[in-house]
Amino acid sequence: ELKVEQNPLFLSMQEGKNYTIYCNYSTTSDRLYWYRQDPGKSLESLFVLLSNGAVKQEGRLMASLDTKARLSTLHITAAVHDLSATYFCAVDKTGANNLFFGTGTRLTVIP
Amino acid sequence: DTGVSQDPRHKITKRGQNVTFRCDPISEHNRLYWYRQTLGQGPEFLTYFQNEAQLEKSRLLSDRFSAERPKGSFSTLEIQRTEQGDSAMYLCASSYSPRDFYEQYFGPGTRLTVT
Repeated sequence: ELKVEQNPLFLSMQEGKNYTIYCNYSTTSDRLYWYRQDPGKSLESLFVLLSNGAVKQEGRLMASLDTKARLSTLHITAAVHDLSATYFCAVDKTGANNLFFGTGTRLTVIP
Repeated sequence: DTGVSQDPRHKITKRGQNVTFRCDPISEHNRLYWYRQTLGQGPEFLTYFQNEAQLEKSRLLSDRFSAERPKGSFSTLEIQRTEQGDSAMYLCASSYSPRDFYEQYFGPGTRLTVT
């Protein structure tokens, strides 16, 4: 069974600081997804990473994928309060038709 | 494009009752997925449809859970004889299958509370 692990599980950071969330997965996959979830809300798609070495950036968030290491990172630059949310990575196992999610990283940005 | 919609948004039921949730996917999406999310966890896959065919249901949590998508449009998820452990958020997602990846768009979810 494919396992997806994120760390840290909880992250409290000050506005203006940088930090990285890590996502490791246990089996071969070429596709990785990052989602954001606000409390009591559904999931919002942030990034789709489709190949080794893929890097995507949107605003203060940048995601990358290393399929050989089975690792994706979500880097936060100069955090602002609006980024406070839970971030999930998910892996699309090759040949399967569903996403396997990590346990999430709850990010709190402190003014 | 109004996105994925789910109904109801909240459901409170007593243990032993049956409940049914509805999901309407994005109109051109032919794949539809159901997930369950418990507090503090990531979504857990339950089942999915391509058009009206249910192609994966082995992860439905028990035989009390069933799903249908009779005309390849909306879908329903039914839980029979609910238990307190069924309390969770039930999420529906849809995607467009001719793409070679499966970016899924999620609905707002139905929060079930079993008392």
